[in-house]
Amino acid sequence: AQSVTQLDSQVPVFEEAPVELRCNYSSSVSVYLFWYVQYPNQGLQLLLKYLSGSTLVESINGFEAEFNKSQTSFHLRKPSVHISDTAEYFCAVSKNTNAGKSTFGDGTTLTVKP
Amino acid sequence: DTAVSQTPKYLVTQMGNDKSIKCEQNLGHDTMYWYKQDSKKFLKIMFSYNNKELIINETVPNRFSPKSPDKAHLNLHINSLELGDSAVYFCASSQNRLDFTGAYEQYFGPGTRLTVT
Repeated sequence: AQSVTQLDSQVPVFEEAPVELRCNYSSSVSVYLFWYVQYPNQGLQLLLKYLSGSTLVESINGFEAEFNKSQTSFHLRKPSVHISDTAEYFCAVSKNTNAGKSTFGDGTTLTVKP
Repeated sequence: DTAVSQTPKYLVTQMGNDKSIKCEQNLGHDTMYWYKQDSKKFLKIMFSYNNKELIINETVPNRFSPKSPDKAHLNLHINSLELGDSAVYFCASSQNRLDFTGAYEQYFGPGTRLTVT
């Protein structure tokens, strides 16, 4: 079975500060990793994903995540956050079987303060 | 064009009633899902259908019954609603097919906020 642990339930930061949202996973087989973002009163949307290849993946709005197989982690980072980044962030893992069932972490609330 | 749509967006009803939530995707995806998000924002998968076939059925009370008339639609019917059913329900879809291994992201609808009084 696979599982996902998001190590911080809430992360408050000031605008323009760097941020890291931590995600660890466990699985007995190779997995694919995703970060989703949920803005207030909206559904989830994909932020970035790791399937294979380069362990560093980037999103169009400045976030990046690094897949670390030895530490089974997929932490999300941004060097300088904006007020508009305030949202709920979910880490998810799926295997390449079982029709892509994803296991989601419990979410991290990122609050960016002015 | 909305990729994954749900109706209604809000649903307020009394305990004991029966209600349905509808979901449609126009992405041509083969797999659809229902998730429940509670007040603490925890997201739990309930069901998944692949091309109208039920493939994931998590531990959900049998008062919840999904129906997929075709691969673009996945509806959720709930009988005898209880206070604990109050939550936001999300529909999602992805390109995954049973005969093809791959990793495709899920596209979520805007959610249906169900309040049971």
